[in-house]
Amino acid sequence: GQNIDQPTEMTATEGAIVQINCTYQTSGFNGLFWYQQHAGEAPTFLSYNVLDGLEEKGRFSSFLSRSKGYSYLLLKELQMKDSASYLCAVTRGATNKLIFGTGTLLAVQP
Amino acid sequence: GAVVSQHPSWVICKSGTSVKIECRSLDFQATTMFWYRQFPKQSLMLMATSNEGSKATYEQGVEKDKFLINHASLTLSTLTVTSAHPEDSSFYICSATDRVAQETQYFGPGTRLLVL
Repeated sequence: GQNIDQPTEMTATEGAIVQINCTYQTSGFNGLFWYQQHAGEAPTFLSYNVLDGLEEKGRFSSFLSRSKGYSYLLLKELQMKDSASYLCAVTRGATNKLIFGTGTLLAVQP
Repeated sequence: GAVVSQHPSWVICKSGTSVKIECRSLDFQATTMFWYRQFPKQSLMLMATSNEGSKATYEQGVEKDKFLINHASLTLSTLTVTSAHPEDSSFYICSATDRVAQETQYFGPGTRLLVL
């Protein structure tokens, strides 16, 4: 089976930096995605990591350690519009099916 | 970029009726489409994987006779919720992958279903 864990909720201050962690246990791991989802909307793609290391994309960065089954999403210079759920998802096997974690609801406060 | 649409965005129906939801890839050919369901304050749960011209592959616990999936072309997949009941009320989201970047799924805007 597979297990993907994220903190349920986090709170951070506008302008600050926040790190959202994701741990996973799964066989046949291919890669790990991060998605952002605002309430009532579909997820939007943020990042995709296949190899170990840090991928930086503007204010958002994502890190992966395959040996540790661990990833994090780093959000810098937080803005109020960053308040959303952040979903960690892994793909495994030949089908590229996405298996989602529980999601982390981030609240950015003034 | 890759755009996926869903129709309708909202649907309210009576218990016992059937509801069809369409998922279209607008500017690319989707090799595979996926259907997810999301209950309030929960994450997305994969229901089935659908490839054009072949039968859908359902996840464990998803009734294939209740959730009928048709993938007639490379740009259209439909999900029909048959004999809907209040417990089927949920947010249904489709996604699609294209031929080039098959690992990245592009999500539709979702369809909110309320069964009375």
